[in-house]
Amino acid sequence: DQQVKQNSPSLSVQEGRISILNCDYTNSMFDYFLWYKKYPAEGPTFLISISSIKDKNEDGRFTVFLNKSAKHLSLHIVPSQPGDSAVYFCAASIAGTNKLVFGAGTILRVKS
Amino acid sequence: GAGVSQSPSNKVTEKGKDVELRCDPISGHTALYWYRQSLGQGLEFLIYFQGNSAPDKSGLPSDRFSAERTGGSVSTLTIQRTQQEDSAVYLCASSFYRGEETQYFGPGTRLLVL
Repeated sequence: DQQVKQNSPSLSVQEGRISILNCDYTNSMFDYFLWYKKYPAEGPTFLISISSIKDKNEDGRFTVFLNKSAKHLSLHIVPSQPGDSAVYFCAASIAGTNKLVFGAGTILRVKS
Repeated sequence: GAGVSQSPSNKVTEKGKDVELRCDPISGHTALYWYRQSLGQGLEFLIYFQGNSAPDKSGLPSDRFSAERTGGSVSTLTIQRTQQEDSAVYLCASSFYRGEETQYFGPGTRLLVL
């Protein structure tokens, strides 16, 4: 039972354009969401997070949107850069459990 | 070091052998986690340590898997009688325990069971 789903295994975007990565979840108890970026042969690195009390969080070129009613979140990267090419994982947790549930990841390729 | 470190970075073993994977968390982080990532899959939670509390072992796939954390710092994940399906990248993460604190990951150990 996949509680966190990233339905697009890959995404290709032109440099300078917007990248939109999507994530859906099924467990309504999740109240904290994170995005991680992973390069080959490296561990995931934290990118941005959002609490369920918010619907948007922005950090530079990265913005995460949360739609609780749809159990959907998305990561927007604008403008996209070739160095953004990586695997992006969506993760969710329930406050106090510290246990992250990850999606399968989306491979982002930014073409120059 | 500043980040989470793991050793070895790569491990090739024969089916049936035991392996030990090591994790050094970020200094001062009280929470430590083990995950594994099989080919084409997301990260799968294995076990969680928080201070001196009993670990949360709910993610361990079988009794061949065990982990310990000595002195509240370094952790060792042991896989006994390895099977080919154990082949994966094993990732360790650490965090301050404050409920929603971000987890910081090490580079992982790539395990290949032949």
